[in-house]
Amino acid sequence: ETGVTQSPTHLIKTRGQQVTLRCSSQSGHNTVSWYQQALGQGPQFIFQYYREEENGRGNFPPRFSGLQFPNYSSELNVNALLLGDSALYLCASSSTGAGTYEQYFGPGTRLTVT
Amino acid sequence: GENVEQHPSTLSVQEGDSAVIKCTYSDSASNYFPWYKQELGKRPQLIIDIRSNVGEKKDQRIAVTLNKTAKHFSLHITETQPEDSAVYFCAASIYNRSNYKLTFGKGTLLTVNP
Repeated sequence: ETGVTQSPTHLIKTRGQQVTLRCSSQSGHNTVSWYQQALGQGPQFIFQYYREEENGRGNFPPRFSGLQFPNYSSELNVNALLLGDSALYLCASSSTGAGTYEQYFGPGTRLTVT
Repeated sequence: GENVEQHPSTLSVQEGDSAVIKCTYSDSASNYFPWYKQELGKRPQLIIDIRSNVGEKKDQRIAVTLNKTAKHFSLHITETQPEDSAVYFCAASIYNRSNYKLTFGKGTLLTVNP
């Protein structure tokens, strides 16, 4: 059984640019959730993907968008980057419909916007 | 939406002592309460969780209690060890069959002094 992986590990972008972050879910999991963790704070829910569709969204603007692929991996895209988007981006995988509740996190992508 | 408050923000104990972290939640419909441990630069790791149909759950030195009436839940760590030092996050969720998001507290930095 493989764990949740994310790429890249670190990323530096300039204001106004666009970024794509990637997540591979744990073996056997069909759902990916994305969270933003600012320094010294708890993770904040961005959105969740299940069956290749957005399945719930937090208080994030439309410039945060995502995709899920048939193999359950997922991408997070952020357009028109702002300085305030600098954070650790975490994805978590889980298994919807299996009666299990647990979400398991990847190691995260540290995004710095300058 | 759901709001989770966590206290204290920092906690320092001597090795061998017990540590207690408390959280309150606002939405009475919440039914799943996980706890995560996050070491510096690492991913959040699920250490224990509890569902709303259970009042207490224990796993070796870690226990979680839930009071649905008061809408609060607590993490208890006994016989603390230096490797327990980390940031601990509580979270609450309204789990249904199709989707759920985790709402996190702001975290507690636990330091266990040898």
